Amino acid sequence: NAGVMQNPRHLVRRRGQEARLRCSPMKGHSHVYWYRQLPEEGLKFMVYLQKENIIDESGMPKERFSAEFPKEGPSILRIQQVVRGDSAAYFCASSLPSDRGRETQYFGPGTRLLVL
Amino acid sequence: GENVEQHPSTLSVQEGDSAVIKCTYSDSASNYFPWYKQELGKRPQLIIDIRSNVGEKKDQRIAVTLNKTAKHFSLHITETQPEDSAVYFCAAWGALTGANNLFFGTGTRLTVIP
Repeated sequence: NAGVMQNPRHLVRRRGQEARLRCSPMKGHSHVYWYRQLPEEGLKFMVYLQKENIIDESGMPKERFSAEFPKEGPSILRIQQVVRGDSAAYFCASSLPSDRGRETQYFGPGTRLLVL
Repeated sequence: GENVEQHPSTLSVQEGDSAVIKCTYSDSASNYFPWYKQELGKRPQLIIDIRSNVGEKKDQRIAVTLNKTAKHFSLHITETQPEDSAVYFCAAWGALTGANNLFFGTGTRLTVIP
């Protein structure tokens, strides 16, 4: 029973390039959450998605960032025209479906993005 | 939205002693409070969680207490071991209209000295 999978584990991009981060939830989970963690800091919520639906994107920067969770395939967090400040660890988590989302969230191993 | 504060930011204890980490939250309607342990370079791992219909939950050496009136919850680790050394995060699920996510504290770096 595989846990939450993320790839790539490490990603290096030059300023101005695009970064695509992928997250496959645990089997049976249909809710996905993305978080950003800067070094020595806590986890900051970015976006909460169900299949084909964004539930809450209140933590997403208004520009350059987008997320999707298609009917088939992994959830994708996309960062366009990356800047050095985007360097961070990006974690996704998944949970069982719930009417209010208060289910236990299980985290993936993270993608460490480095922008040169 | 929800605001979660966590104290202390660092904590050192002797092996075998107890460790206590405290968090406060602002949204009185929050009803789910998980604790995560994160080792260096690793993913956050859930160690215990509590929902607002109970005041205490225990799992072996780990316990969490919740005081809804005071809006604070605490993590207690007894008989600490060196492998307990990690960063611990508390979180609260925002229940206000429009809040659909976990708000995390800033973390406590626990060091257990052998």
